[in-house]
Amino acid sequence: EDQVTQSPEALRLQEGESSSLNCSYTVSGLRGLFWYRQDPGKGPEFLFTLYSAGEEKEKERLKATLTKKESFLHITAPKPEDSATYLCAVQPINAGNNRKLIWGLGTSLAVNP
Amino acid sequence: EAQVTQNPRYLITVTGKKLTVTCSQNMNHEYMSWYRQDPGLGLRQIYYSMNVEVTDKGDVPEGYKVSRKEKRNFPLILESPSPNQTSLYFCASSWAPNTEAFFGQGTRLTVV
Repeated sequence: EDQVTQSPEALRLQEGESSSLNCSYTVSGLRGLFWYRQDPGKGPEFLFTLYSAGEEKEKERLKATLTKKESFLHITAPKPEDSATYLCAVQPINAGNNRKLIWGLGTSLAVNP
Repeated sequence: EAQVTQNPRYLITVTGKKLTVTCSQNMNHEYMSWYRQDPGLGLRQIYYSMNVEVTDKGDVPEGYKVSRKEKRNFPLILESPSPNQTSLYFCASSWAPNTEAFFGQGTRLTVV
């Protein structure tokens, strides 16, 4: 069964303390992996799409990487405004016309000043 | 500004009273979908639409209806809401199912 697991469920960091969030997935084949950020009471906001193992993408303090079994979202020197829930979603190759995404439950990140 | 607009943002209703949540996007996107988000269950797709007049069921379609008469609008209809439909609902749009999705601000629905 296709599955996406994110860890940790929650993470609290001090401002400037770098860390990584994990998204591990089990699918028969990967079409793409998506990272979104969700602020409380708001809709998810797109961050990155990764398509193949070894691929990396960066945006400000965030860097996403992909292997054949997992993706990491590295946060370098985080600031309080990086506090949010980070969602990972996987699109299997056999997702059909809908290209349905399988969503993880997210990692809730809190960055203390 | 590119955006997906949902209304209302908050809604409290009673069991069985029909309601509609509207969704409109201004990006000329072909693909639109509705999700519900529940603690411990994450985002689950309710319905999706590949284009005007083309809609299909997602993972949890029971109790919901949708229509896509215009490209920009994709309303979600609850004909007879029940308490188990209390949830946070999101509308999303994108050029295609496998591209960046833009989400609305969400509708928090409570059915009593």
